[in-house]
Amino acid sequence: DVKVTQSSRYLVKRTGEKVFLECVQDMDHENMFWYRQDPGLGLRLIYFSYDVKMKEKGDIPEGYSVSREKKERFSLILESASTNQTSMYLCASSPTIAGGREETQYFGPGTRLLVL
Amino acid sequence: AQKITQTQPGMFVQEKEAVTLDCTYDTSDPSYGLFWYKQPSSGEMIFLIYQGSYDQQNATEGRYSLNFQKARKSANLVISASQLGDSAMYFCAMTGYQKVTFGTGTKLQVIP
Repeated sequence: DVKVTQSSRYLVKRTGEKVFLECVQDMDHENMFWYRQDPGLGLRLIYFSYDVKMKEKGDIPEGYSVSREKKERFSLILESASTNQTSMYLCASSPTIAGGREETQYFGPGTRLLVL
Repeated sequence: AQKITQTQPGMFVQEKEAVTLDCTYDTSDPSYGLFWYKQPSSGEMIFLIYQGSYDQQNATEGRYSLNFQKARKSANLVISASQLGDSAMYFCAMTGYQKVTFGTGTKLQVIP
């Protein structure tokens, strides 16, 4: 089974702090994704990566950056956390983005971030 | 741009009954994929079913089927014989060329 793990289930940070959210997948997937989930808004894509050291902006990249130094690890960075970044953050991976069922995404358990 | 619309924020269904969750989409890509995911209260998203834009037949996975009507741009999820464990959020998603878009979700509650 594909396993996607996230470094924390719950996190509390102060405004202005630098926050790192880590995601690791163990199935040698090419692609990794970061989403935030807010009530009534569904999942919104922040960034994705289709290869090591490659990154693409999603729909809401402002205030976030990412890093993918190794294939299995994709980090989301909040350079200076703000209260409007309080949310649930979900990481996902997929074998490919070349089309078909192989685009199925496998999700981690999520990190609930509270910024005070 | 691609867009997914789920118009039912919440639904109730009696145990053992069938239920349909609506999803409409919009895209200019000729090739795309449609997915449904389930999110129980524990928070982890679970893949349910996939339909490719060129697939001629509706996808089925156990009690889940996808009612794909390409001309109407709809991809409704049908759950047959609902169970209490089906109570969850359900998300419709679409993939295109280097794009992925999720809907806002439908909260399904199964009543005993």
